[in-house]
Amino acid sequence: DAGVIQSPRHEVTEMGQEVTLRCKPISGHDYLFWYRQTMMRGLELLIYFNNNVPIDDSGMPEDRFSAKMPNASFSTLKIQPSEPRDSAVYFCASTNSGSSIQFFGPGTRLTVL
Amino acid sequence: KQEVTQIPAALSVPEGENLVLNCSFTDSAIYNLQWFRQDPGKGLTSLLLIQSSQREQTSGRLNASLDKSSGRSTLYIAASQPGDSATYLCAVRTNAGKSTFGDGTTLTVKP
Repeated sequence: DAGVIQSPRHEVTEMGQEVTLRCKPISGHDYLFWYRQTMMRGLELLIYFNNNVPIDDSGMPEDRFSAKMPNASFSTLKIQPSEPRDSAVYFCASTNSGSSIQFFGPGTRLTVL
Repeated sequence: KQEVTQIPAALSVPEGENLVLNCSFTDSAIYNLQWFRQDPGKGLTSLLLIQSSQREQTSGRLNASLDKSSGRSTLYIAASQPGDSATYLCAVRTNAGKSTFGDGTTLTVKP
């Protein structure tokens, strides 16, 4: 298995633009997590899905952030409009109910100018 | 709300030393605890997972322990090597599936 796949790996955009981050979890995993990592705040859980259904989105900072999981093999995290304070590394992770080991993707480094 | 604390924030040791990293959490109603390693500019790599019913897990030179009642976990690294230099994070997961991460301990092993 290729592991958790995220795209793009790097994104540089201007304030006000829409940003879409993509994630493909490991096949067979039924949990998918979106995290954000910054120097100031460390690693924060934004939202997670179980069987494609959002379970807890209490970590989503504000209405500008939205996440979807239309099927078991794909999820998106969208920021609209983006702001400089959204600059961070965004990680996607997946796991299954059995093993419980979370596997992380390589992350998307987002810079909002 | 679960809070996870890792002490120390940074640690520097000479090669060959044994060392212990600490992780404490406030809510003992956990599902499992996982230790990760993160290299600069990279993602997280899982090292060890301890289920709530377990006391410890071992993998090579790494040993992780869990004491739910006191809200503590330790990661023991034996015979440290320069390649062990990285940031080590612990994550506590609830029965509902939500994980809370500590801020990590940045380890430097000097040759």
